[in-house]
Amino acid sequence: AQTVTQSQPEMSVQEAETVTLSCTYDTSESNYYLFWYKQPPSRQMILVIRQEAYKQQNATENRFSVNFQKAAKSFSLKISDSQLGDTAMYFCAFIKRGNYGGSQGNLIFGKGTKLSVKP
Amino acid sequence: DTEVTQTPKHLVMGMTNKKSLKCEQHMGHRAMYWYKQKAKKPPELMFVYSYEKLSINESVPSRFSPECPNSSLLNLHLHALQPEDSALYLCASSHAARQGSYYGYTFGSGTRLTVV
Repeated sequence: AQTVTQSQPEMSVQEAETVTLSCTYDTSESNYYLFWYKQPPSRQMILVIRQEAYKQQNATENRFSVNFQKAAKSFSLKISDSQLGDTAMYFCAFIKRGNYGGSQGNLIFGKGTKLSVKP
Repeated sequence: DTEVTQTPKHLVMGMTNKKSLKCEQHMGHRAMYWYKQKAKKPPELMFVYSYEKLSINESVPSRFSPECPNSSLLNLHLHALQPEDSALYLCASSHAARQGSYYGYTFGSGTRLTVV
C-alpha cells in the first residue's frame, strides 16, 4: 500500500521569502504521479503542481517548483517570493499511473502542512 | 469550462431531514468522486464513479446514497444523518483510467454541512 507523509504540520514564512514544504512517500510502483494541492480558507482544493515520476526534470509553475528525488521517494515544494495569498493548507498526493497514461487507483493524500505567510 | 460546481455551498439539516448535494462538471471527465473532509484533515474518499458506474464505496454508511445520472452530474443524497456527519463535502472529477494523460483531480469548492 502507498503512503504519503508530510512531517511539518505547520510552517510560517515572511512575505517575499522562500519556503520549502516536505513530502515523502512509500510505494513499490515505478510509474506514478505526484501532486501538490493548496486549500486556502476559502476551502477549494487547487492543484498547484504535478510531477510525472518517469520524468527526471523537476516541474515548475511560476513561483512554485518541486525537488523530486525518486530514489529517495521525496517530493518537496518550494515557494519563492511568498505572498499573503499563499496562506493555506498544502497537501501532497500520490496516484499510480495506469497502462494508458491515466491513473490507477485513487489519490492518496498526506496529512497536510498549514502554511502561514506573514506580512 | 474548467470548473466543478457544487451546490449548495452551505447546508444545515436536522437529523430527520432528507437533502441532496449536487455536483456538475463539463470537462469531459468520466471519473467523479465524493470526499468528506473534517477540519485540518485531508479529504477522505467516500465514493468513486467511473463511466457513470459506482466503482468504489469506502464502507460509507447507507444514510449517504450517491447517484450519477449522467457523465456530468453527481449527486449525494442524505437521510437521517448524525451530528458527527457535519463536515465539508467535496466533489472532484478527473480523467478516468482509459482517458489518456492524467492531470489530477479538479475539485469543487465544497458544501459545508451542519447536522443539528
